[in-house]
Amino acid sequence: EVQLVESGGGLVQPGGSLRLSCAASGFIFSSYRMNWVRQAPGKGLEWVSYITDTSTNIYYADSVKGRFAISRDNAKNSLYLQMNSLRDEDTAVYYCARDLLGYYVMDVWGRGTTVTVSS
Amino acid sequence: QSALTQPASVSGSPGQSITISCTGTSSDVGGYNYVSWYQQHPGKAPELMIYDVSNRPSGVSNRFSGSKSGNTASLTISGLQAEDEADYYCSSYTSSSTSYVFGTGTRVTVL
Repeated sequence: EVQLVESGGGLVQPGGSLRLSCAASGFIFSSYRMNWVRQAPGKGLEWVSYITDTSTNIYYADSVKGRFAISRDNAKNSLYLQMNSLRDEDTAVYYCARDLLGYYVMDVWGRGTTVTVSS
Repeated sequence: QSALTQPASVSGSPGQSITISCTGTSSDVGGYNYVSWYQQHPGKAPELMIYDVSNRPSGVSNRFSGSKSGNTASLTISGLQAEDEADYYCSSYTSSSTSYVFGTGTRVTVL
């Protein structure tokens, strides 16, 4: 079964850091582009970042550029999001999502992990 | 990158058809056939319903269909059922940031 499982969320103070992980299974992880998408409480979806299969190309939303860093370890079938200088507005459920091979669409999503930034 | 524009809510009675619009620009919806639609039930992860404007993934009901004209894409749900009550988001590739942009989201209510 194709599956993505996020972890690492929690409560952090403004200005703090957190590292999210996403464990992939059931498919050849090293062949796929991967994304992070977030959803603030009661709000819509916001694309955060994506990384190509070999980590050659990485892109970020303007709202997180310079503060967040996406990475992957294909040997461990894992995707990561290092979040620094966290702000209240970063409070959200963070989903990892797989890009369908050869397409610009996210076809498999994890259940998400909740990040709360508050003092 | 500004979000794509969707109506906040759409409603219909069981068995009816409804259409949700998604308006962008020539840098996203109008410039590429990379429009997708996602369904999200409360507390759940989004689920892909349509990709590349009008393609349905395996397992998605043929009551869901997509189309595009100019800078506006549309999702039509025919034969509306109670289980279709959810939030729906469009998404498109955007050349302005070589990434994705989502719509503002539409709450579908089955009366």
